[in-house]
Amino acid sequence: KAGVTQTPRYLIKTRGQQVTLSCSPISGHRSVSWYQQTPGQGLQFLFEYFSETQRNKGNFPGRFSGRQFSNSRSEMNVSTLELGDSALYLCASISTGSPTDTQYFGPGTRLTVL
Amino acid sequence: QKEVEQDPGPLSVPEGAIVSLNCTYSNSAFQYFMWYRQYSRKGPELLMYTYSSGNKEDGRFTAQVDKSSKYISLFIRDSQPSDSATYLCAMSTATGANSKLTFGKGITLSVRP
Repeated sequence: KAGVTQTPRYLIKTRGQQVTLSCSPISGHRSVSWYQQTPGQGLQFLFEYFSETQRNKGNFPGRFSGRQFSNSRSEMNVSTLELGDSALYLCASISTGSPTDTQYFGPGTRLTVL
Repeated sequence: QKEVEQDPGPLSVPEGAIVSLNCTYSNSAFQYFMWYRQYSRKGPELLMYTYSSGNKEDGRFTAQVDKSSKYISLFIRDSQPSDSATYLCAMSTATGANSKLTFGKGITLSVRP
């Protein structure tokens, strides 16, 4: 079974630009979540999508948005980039199970904002 | 106070040592506890999860949860250089619609040959 795919793997942008990151979950998984990882704050939850609907959102400004398509692929967008947005953005493909869901992470997209 | 606190490290041990990694949490609603391992330039990989107080063993790894003290631990026996990575504890309050994970900041472990 193929794992979680994230594209691109590396990205360099300048302040004020916008960026779109893509995530393809594991086949059969209908839910994905996004996290931001920085040395200072660690891994922080951005949002989660299930069957094209956002059902949970973290404490990030409105510049961070996402969506999910009918094939479960997901994108996240960051507008008006700031230097502090430099981070590793991780997508997790969620397997629904008992007693708990399991989140499988992709390799991440490393975003550098100059 | 952060919801999940993890010893900052880094931690360096000789090969064969027993390693103890710890996290404390403040939110008593956390019910599910995970340990992830993250190698450099990779995404986190799930090592173990547990949802009840007590111990859970998987090979050289043992996860321990003490809900009364809001404390979880991961023990690694007979540590190997291949165990060198960043270890992250993670917790959630529920599954399904509220299964977001709250992570500790991670501790970097180095196992010296």
